[in-house]
Order: sequence, then C-alpha cells, then structure tokens
Amino acid sequence: AQTVTQSQPEMSVQEAETVTLSCTYDTSESDYYLFWYKQPPSRQMILVIRQEAYKQQNATENRFSVNFQKAAKSFSLKISDSQLGDAAMYFCASIHNAGNNRKLIWGLGTSLAVNP
Amino acid sequence: NAGVTQTPKFQVLKTGQSMTLQCAQDMNHNSMYWYRQDPGMGLRLIYYSASEGTTDKGEVPNGYNVSRLNKREFSLRLESAAPSQTSVYFCASSEVGASDPQHFGDGTRLSIL
Repeated sequence: AQTVTQSQPEMSVQEAETVTLSCTYDTSESDYYLFWYKQPPSRQMILVIRQEAYKQQNATENRFSVNFQKAAKSFSLKISDSQLGDAAMYFCASIHNAGNNRKLIWGLGTSLAVNP
Repeated sequence: NAGVTQTPKFQVLKTGQSMTLQCAQDMNHNSMYWYRQDPGMGLRLIYYSASEGTTDKGEVPNGYNVSRLNKREFSLRLESAAPSQTSVYFCASSEVGASDPQHFGDGTRLSIL
C-alpha cells in the first residue's frame, strides 16, 4: 500500500525563525505529485505548496519551500521567518494511482506551534 | 467567490438516524471528494467522483452513500448513523483529478449519540 509518513507529530518554532517539517512517502510511480496542506484552528484546509516529481527544482511559495529528494522519497517543508499565523496542522500528501482513477494519500499531520 | 460550500456546519444525530451532507462548488471542477477527519487518523477518503455521473469508493466507504447530482453538487448520505461515524467531514473539489490542488469546504462537525 502507498503510504505517507510524517514522523513529527508536533513541532515548535520561535517567531521569525526557520522550521522544517519532514515527510517521506512510498510510491511505485515515476511521475507523481506531492502536496503540503495547512489546517489552521479555523479548520479549513489550505494548499501550501505543490511539487511535480518530474521537476528537479524545488517548489517555492514565498516563505515556504520544499526539499524534494526523489531518490530518498523525502519531501520536507521549510518555513522561513515563521509568523504566528503559521501555527497550524500541516499535512503532506502524495498522489496514488488506483486503476483508472488517482487519489491523494495523506500523512497524519504535524502540529506546528509558533512561539512569540 | 464561495468556492466549496458545505451544509450544515454542525449536526447532532441519534444512533440510527439518517442524514445527508450537502456540498456544492462553483469553480466548474470535474472531481469532488468526501473525507472524514478523526483525531490521530488524518484525512481518510470516503468516496470520490472523478466526473459528473461517476462515483468510486475510497478508503472507508462502509456506512455511506454518495450522489453526484450534477457537476456542482456531491452529497454524502448516512443511512443509519452510528457513533463510530462521529467525525469532521470535509468536501473537496479539484479541477480535473487528484493531481490538481484540492479546494476544501469548511467542514461539517457531526456527532452521533
């Protein structure tokens, strides 16, 4: 079975500092997509960043960037200059090909606290 | 610009009651999804619809049915609610398929007594 593993249930960071959230995945596909989603206390799921596996360049979205290591099947999220509003659950997800349809497989999440 | 709208936001049911969770998207997306989120379990896919007129089971379909009424609407029905179905339910949509970013509704908190 395809899996996504987030090994850090909880993390904390000081405001303005940098934090890295880990994610590893298992897939037999050569072409796939990876995602990080954020879920703040308001509960709404928000896309943070998306990475296409065929692209060697790491995706970046403002203060959010990824370290995509395809051979190691690792997809970590780096948050720079952390802000109080970054406090949330962060979910890593990878695409899973199931027959004629494709669906996301989700990690269990990392709860990030930002300390003032 | 509503995005994905779920109703209701909260609901309390008694065991054995039935109800339908409604979801509508206004982004002309082809694919729609229903998830449940439980503490320590992350997001689990219940059902999805890759396009209008099609539905497929996800990881945890037992006890649920779905209807893709049209391109905009995708409803989730609990025929005979059980306490194990107490959860937060999310509807999501994506433009074509799961490779595209998913847009989520605000969720429905469902408690079954």
